[in-house]
Amino acid sequence: DAGVIQSPRHEVTEMGQEVTLRCKPISGHDYLFWYRQTMMRGLELLIYFNNNVPIDDSGMPEDRFSAKMPNASFSTLKIQPSEPRDSAVYFCASSEAARIGGNTIYFGEGSWLTVV
Amino acid sequence: GENVEQHPSTLSVQEGDSAVIKCTYSDSASNYFPWYKQELGKGPQLIIDIRSNVGEKKDQRIAVTLNKTAKHFSLHITETQPEDSAVYFCAASLFNDYKLSFGAGTTVTVRA
Repeated sequence: DAGVIQSPRHEVTEMGQEVTLRCKPISGHDYLFWYRQTMMRGLELLIYFNNNVPIDDSGMPEDRFSAKMPNASFSTLKIQPSEPRDSAVYFCASSEAARIGGNTIYFGEGSWLTVV
Repeated sequence: GENVEQHPSTLSVQEGDSAVIKCTYSDSASNYFPWYKQELGKGPQLIIDIRSNVGEKKDQRIAVTLNKTAKHFSLHITETQPEDSAVYFCAASLFNDYKLSFGAGTTVTVRA
């Protein structure tokens, strides 16, 4: 299995620009998550989807952030306009419906965003 | 909501020695406790997990213990090797609830 695939791996952008991060979850997984990782706040759940439907977006910091999942194999996280404080590593993760063994979440390798 | 505290924040051990990381959680309803390992430039990867109906679980050199009464759980790595150097995160949630609350992470360095 290819795992969770994210793009771009690294992005440097100027303040005020729109940023779009992309994610392809593991095939067959029902759940997709967007996390943000910073030194100050650690790993934070921003939003998650079940069967392409947003379930909980309470972690989305501001209206500047939006996420979509148009189909089971693709999701985007958009920041518009971007600000320097958005600089972080953004992880996409996916999981299949919980089984006896637990709800293992598989992370991608992250998109490293720097807003200058 | 759930609050997970993790200690220590950094841990340096000699190769071959044991490493122990401890976490406490606040919500007594939490019943699922995974541990993730994050290597440099990579995403977190699940290494072991435990549910609250089990007090201890072991997988080769790693083990996790859970004390529900005290609301704390620990990761034990025995016979540490250089490849164990990474950041380790504990987390807590309700089983079948996908809102994991993560600890702040422990940077483990294994000295050769």
